[in-house]
Amino acid sequence: AQKITQTQPGMFVQEKEAVTLDCTYDTSDPSYGLFWYKQPSSGEMIFLIYQGSYDQQNATEGRYSLNFQKARKSANLVISASQLGDSAMYFCAMREGGWDDKIIFGKGTRLHILP
Amino acid sequence: DGGITQSPKYLFRKEGQNVTLSCEQNLNHDAMYWYRQDPGQGLRLIYYSQIVNDFQKGDIAEGYSVSREKKESFPLTVTSAQKNPTAFYLCASRRGRSGEGYTFGSGTRLTVV
Repeated sequence: AQKITQTQPGMFVQEKEAVTLDCTYDTSDPSYGLFWYKQPSSGEMIFLIYQGSYDQQNATEGRYSLNFQKARKSANLVISASQLGDSAMYFCAMREGGWDDKIIFGKGTRLHILP
Repeated sequence: DGGITQSPKYLFRKEGQNVTLSCEQNLNHDAMYWYRQDPGQGLRLIYYSQIVNDFQKGDIAEGYSVSREKKESFPLTVTSAQKNPTAFYLCASRRGRSGEGYTFGSGTRLTVV
């Protein structure tokens, strides 16, 4: 079963609009962490934001915020005031607690920002 | 500046040949990881290592091998047993069990002809 689900293979958004990228996750571990990464066409992976399962507040980093809905197992990324440079692949990822220290990724959402 | 270096950026090999992808980090990170990326598949974990001289299989380890003789280095060998090796390979490292994300290298695109 998929542990990270990103249901939007692609999205088109007008420049300066806000955009929400969906991510749902599946875990029975009470301790886990959620990440979002951006991958431009160059291929590098850029860390955007992190949310711990015990964090009371939603994480924010500049124009990025993570809408964490623990009961729904949802960790959507919100980008405010989108820019042309935001066009890229976006990956949601999760690290579960326990001894295994690995991160698993969703299949990604390709975001296109239109001028 | 600290970071992860993957080399080469592009690699071409003939079918049936083993090939080794290099990954070096100077971040003093304990854990290192190899991921494979195919179009539409996201990133899939091949192998990871949390300490020197120890490593674990990820979800798609068949046809791959690794070593971790030094903290800074985690080379990945794509063997002839890997049925479909053409892909984009990403190496990553992480300091420890914290809220930090992985630091990624810039990747190696392997094409087997």
